[in-house]
Amino acid sequence: DIQMTQSPSSLSASVGDRVTITCRASQSISNYLNWYQQKPGKAPKLLIYAASSLQSGVPSRFSGSGSGTDFTLTISSLQPEDFATYYCQQSYSTPHTFGQGTKLEIK
Amino acid sequence: QVQLVQSGAEVKKPGASVKVSCKASGYTFTSYGISWVRQAPGQGLEWMGWISAYNGNTNYAQKLQGRVTMTTDTSTSTAYMELRSLRSDDTAVYYCVRDNPMTTVVTLYDYWGQGTLVTVSS
Repeated sequence: DIQMTQSPSSLSASVGDRVTITCRASQSISNYLNWYQQKPGKAPKLLIYAASSLQSGVPSRFSGSGSGTDFTLTISSLQPEDFATYYCQQSYSTPHTFGQGTKLEIK
Repeated sequence: QVQLVQSGAEVKKPGASVKVSCKASGYTFTSYGISWVRQAPGQGLEWMGWISAYNGNTNYAQKLQGRVTMTTDTSTSTAYMELRSLRSDDTAVYYCVRDNPMTTVVTLYDYWGQGTLVTVSS
């Protein structure tokens, strides 16, 4: 199975900050990488697919980059509604493994 | 609008089986697939498998092989996930997700069900 490792596991930031979350795959996954946002008690929400494509309806402050084994999710200017847990997921091969999550908290 | 509505919470004893349903509306059911993802309490997300509502093809997580079966009923636009020989570590929220009808490589994951809590306890 491909292992997905996110860093950091948790992050404290303030409204307006620029935040970057990284995700590393244990082997090359080309650009088959998705990012999700999950709020407590809710289903995950797709933010970015194919490493850098913004899902319809997602604010443009979210962006993704990377290819191969190293990927990043960037939020350019944090908004109050962005405080949540973020997950990466590879779909290069099954099982489609997820990162362990990054909890983004208010400083 | 696209909706995936899942069946209600279940409490099962170890060794029993559970069957979770996921009723789709707002789109042509047979033009997509359905994946299932679960999340144990306070834990991360785990991919369970995929079924094509187009042709019935399936792809299950190796760790669940032999215990999980995913099916669809195209007459009612409903997907089902059955998990057998339940153990305490199967306690989780189970989600259905709209997905690609033909391949597991290019995923959609654009619409999610609300989740179904399955509790396994003696």
